[in-house]
Order: sequence, then structure tokens, then C-alpha cells
Amino acid sequence: SQTIHQWPATLVQPVGSPLSLECTVEGTSNPNLYWYRQAAGRGLQLLFYSVGIGQISSEVPQNLSASRPQDRQFILSSKKLLLSDSGFYLCAWTADSGANVLTFGAGSRLTVL
Amino acid sequence: DAKTTQPTSMDCAEGRAANLPCNHSTISGNEYVYWYRQIHSQGPQYIIHGLKNNETNEMASLIITEDRKSSTLILPHATLRDTAVYYCIVRPWGGSARQLTFGSGTQLTVLP
Repeated sequence: SQTIHQWPATLVQPVGSPLSLECTVEGTSNPNLYWYRQAAGRGLQLLFYSVGIGQISSEVPQNLSASRPQDRQFILSSKKLLLSDSGFYLCAWTADSGANVLTFGAGSRLTVL
Repeated sequence: DAKTTQPTSMDCAEGRAANLPCNHSTISGNEYVYWYRQIHSQGPQYIIHGLKNNETNEMASLIITEDRKSSTLILPHATLRDTAVYYCIVRPWGGSARQLTFGSGTQLTVLP
């Protein structure tokens, strides 16, 4: 069966520090991968999605970047965190390009102080 | 994409059916209705989807009106673990991920 892992689960970082959140999927190949952010009390905002290794599409201009160095690995990064980067970050995958049914990870809660 | 309207919050007694409404009066002919839920501090979980016929799976039933302008998600025997925010989304099958827009949803609280 397929599983999706995200880490770290919780992170507290100072303003200006770098960030790296990692997501991996097991039990499938060539998944479509997604990064979402959920600010406190808000809906989910799509940040990035990837249909293959090295292929990244960005949905909103921001202080973050994404990379996909391996087929089942998706990384969210920042060189210098801002206070506004705080939130709940969710990785998701789907087997099809149509994003018909997304399976989400458990999430990474980032607090920038 | 069609916009959805859901009540902000609902309560339900444990063991009773929870009926969560969703209005999507501007839905297009090729748009499906999807339901996800998000338990506090967890990632959203897919529940069910449908086009025009009623659908049922091990988690819930989806009732779509004949004119497709509204739908109801039914949890037949709600438990405390069903307390979550429930999102109703409409989008075309095979559309892009940016069309899977999670709004505010309905906070369902199952009471003991």
C-alpha cells in the first residue's frame, strides 16, 4: 500500500533562518506531488506541484521554493524565513495527473519567531 | 469553477446520522462534487465524490439533488472521531490541482 511521510512534524525557527521540509511517498512510482500551506483558521493554499523529477510549478510568488531530486521525494525550502511563513504545511500525492483524489501527509507545523 | 457554500458549524449527537449540506448552484455539467475532511492538526482526508448519482462507500453517502445545485454528505452513525472540518469542493474530473480549492468548510462537532 502507498504511504506518505512528512518531517519534521513540528518546527520552531527564528526569522531569517533557512527551512527544509521533506516529503516522501512509498509504494508507488511517478506520483504527482503537491505542497500546500494552511494558515491558522484558513483554507489550504496550493504552493507548488510536481509531475516528475526536476519539474516544479509554482502557484504563488513567495519566499519559498520546492525541489524534487528523486521520483518520490519532494522538498520545500526557504533561504530566509519570514514571520508570514508560519503555518501548517501539507504534502500530498496523487497517482494521476488530474489530481482527482489527493492523499495528504500528516503535515508539518512551522512557527517562525 | 463553481463556488460552494457550507454552514460554518454543526453539531451532531454520537450515534446519530450527521447530514452536512453543500450548496453549489453554479456547478457546471462536467464538475464533480468532492468531499474531504480534516481532523484537527492532521492532513485532509478524501471521503467521497460524485457527479449526479448518489454514491456510498464505507465512510459516507453522498446525495446530490436532481438539478445538481446542492448535495448532502451523510455520516450514518457519527462517532466522536468524526469531529472534523468537512470540505465540499466542485471541480472537473481531471482538472488541475489548483482547482481543488479548500474553503472554510463546516466544523462538525460530534457530542457524546
